[in-house]
Amino acid sequence: DAMVIQNPRYQVTQFGKPVTLSCSQTLNHNVMYWYQQKSSQAPKLLFHYYDKDFNNEADTPDNFQSRRPNTSFCFLDIRSPGLGDAAMYLCATSRDTTVNQPQHFGDGTRLSIL
Amino acid sequence: AQSVTQLGSHVSVSEGALVLLRCNYSSSVPPYLFWYVQYPNQGLQLLLKYTSAATLVKGINGFEAEFKKSETSFHLTKPSAHMSDAAEYFCAVSFLNDYKLSFGAGTTVTVRA
Repeated sequence: DAMVIQNPRYQVTQFGKPVTLSCSQTLNHNVMYWYQQKSSQAPKLLFHYYDKDFNNEADTPDNFQSRRPNTSFCFLDIRSPGLGDAAMYLCATSRDTTVNQPQHFGDGTRLSIL
Repeated sequence: AQSVTQLGSHVSVSEGALVLLRCNYSSSVPPYLFWYVQYPNQGLQLLLKYTSAATLVKGINGFEAEFKKSETSFHLTKPSAHMSDAAEYFCAVSFLNDYKLSFGAGTTVTVRA
């Protein structure tokens, strides 16, 4: 089945130690999104790629970066994680940016900061 | 300002009872509307979407939603709750001038045996 896969499912890192989260997709979708979801809250969009074009949300901290080396893969880099960055990180894809396109989500990576 | 609101952060129903989750939007032009479900420690799964073809939309797992323009609502229902319906439900919208999703705050559903 076509899907969105996130690795790892659980990640523990130390305060200030860089961490990278991975997302891959077999849907061949043009758009890939990264969301941050804290406990009992709605997902919050950090940024997205349309093909190779990067689109950052205005309130996303500089500590968060992303890379998309090819259509299938997208990475979320947190340069110096703080305690407030502990959250579930969700990757999603959509075929394009027309307004009626649903997004397809991976199962997320739960990040803990020691 | 354009927004989406889910009324009720928690809903508790008995197994076999009606599930009703409320979603209202604020926009001069009807947006595209979606309902997603999130099971514990999982991502979001699309339940259904409204794209103006029909006001009553049927989704997966026996859920359906009705778009009511006069009430700016898109409430989600299921006639008979099952234990497996216990999850977090998010209403999401795409407004016509922005393809990105705006999520409601979510409603947690618990099902009592």
